[in-house]
Amino acid sequence: NAGVTQTPKFQVLKTGQSMTLQCAQDMNHNSMYWYRQDPGMGLRLIYYSASEGTTDKGEVPNGYNVSRLNKREFSLRLESAAPSQTSVYFCASSEAPAYGYTFGSGTRLTVV
Amino acid sequence: AQSVSQHNHHVILSEAASLELGCNYSYGGTVNLFWYVQYPGQHLQLLLKYFSGDPLVKGIKGFEAEFIKSKFSFNLRKPSVQWSDTAEYFCALRMDSSYKLIFGSGTRLLVRP
Repeated sequence: NAGVTQTPKFQVLKTGQSMTLQCAQDMNHNSMYWYRQDPGMGLRLIYYSASEGTTDKGEVPNGYNVSRLNKREFSLRLESAAPSQTSVYFCASSEAPAYGYTFGSGTRLTVV
Repeated sequence: AQSVSQHNHHVILSEAASLELGCNYSYGGTVNLFWYVQYPGQHLQLLLKYFSGDPLVKGIKGFEAEFIKSKFSFNLRKPSVQWSDTAEYFCALRMDSSYKLIFGSGTRLLVRP
């Protein structure tokens, strides 16, 4: 049982480049989330998708876009990467929010 | 704005010592509360959660937490820590019927052998 799978695990971008972080879950969960983790700041919600076909902004959405491709997949796109987007990005999914989330293993992104 | 506060950013303990990590939140409505653990280089894993009912919640690996509504607190405890408990611990809050979890800034625990 793979759970939540994120690709890539590591990425280095130059300022202004674009890229898409991929996330897929095989637990038939309805809700999916993208968080970023920065030292001393915990996890901050970028975007979430409560169900297939819906997406909503979280706490720090600027500079990002998302696509809920189907029930399994939820991608995060950086259109023009900036050094401030250097972070560790976690995807998560949930059967129901009251039960908590299942997290992926993260993507460590460095923008130079 | 609603928030989750973890006042202890770094905690250092010796093996077999007792652990208590503080978590306070600011929200007056219905809440679900969670503790997650992140071992070095790994993703977050759920330790325990409070949904409703008994305010004393038992989780994996001998951890427990107590929900005290009057104090807006959900502190994590373990009677005797092990070196393998070295990790970062995050408290998280869900408000009412929200889809979102709000995370605290985390507490880094170092357990010395």
